Amino acid sequence: DSGVTQTPKHLITATGQRVTLRCSPRSGDLSVYWYQQSLDQGLQFLIQYYNGEERAKGNILERFSAQQFPDLHSELNLSSLELGDSALYFCASSVGPLADQPQHFGDGTRLSIL
Amino acid sequence: GENVEQHPSTLSVQEGDSAVIKCTYSDSASNYFPWYKQELGKRPQLIIDIRSNVGEKKDQRIAVTLNKTAKHFSLHITETQPEDSAVYFCAAPYLGAGSYQLTFGKGTKLSVIP
Repeated sequence: DSGVTQTPKHLITATGQRVTLRCSPRSGDLSVYWYQQSLDQGLQFLIQYYNGEERAKGNILERFSAQQFPDLHSELNLSSLELGDSALYFCASSVGPLADQPQHFGDGTRLSIL
Repeated sequence: GENVEQHPSTLSVQEGDSAVIKCTYSDSASNYFPWYKQELGKRPQLIIDIRSNVGEKKDQRIAVTLNKTAKHFSLHITETQPEDSAVYFCAAPYLGAGSYQLTFGKGTKLSVIP
């Protein structure tokens, strides 16, 4: 158990819909990172928040957005869903804002678009 | 940004043999190099990491070596066991101004044949 909690574990929805994925970081961690992993693909960095503020953006589509709340949990919102958005979405947390610190991953949310 | 290349993409070894996975990175400022193990359908799990001020780090059957001059680092697994079968990812941080992301290699699928 990494201490990072992601909900839901599975999500099945249709094209054009909107979903929200939730992540609670490990106790004491202030950074949350979101990653997308498509079938047989590596980990694509989407976005990072540190202590409530956006710190870094990767290859995140305009249809996707995220935020981190005062209690440090984070939500990733995916809208106007397309078939290609089907993937595993992981969040990871670390203590500080820099990428040179260990990141610990949650179990992921498997999103299936029908 | 950072560019991380990982080789080989697949690796098959006999149980008890050693396995070596290599990664190269592009940003000479990178100072932290983690390795993750991902079993099928599960989260990436941090198995070992190394900082740029050391050349080698060991943890039981796994070790990581770093050559800063050549900008490459390697994962070594000795006395491989079937439970070592997984996809292994290397990563390196990009610490440029305004960016704090961890860039992952594309992964190596390791199969340990009993």
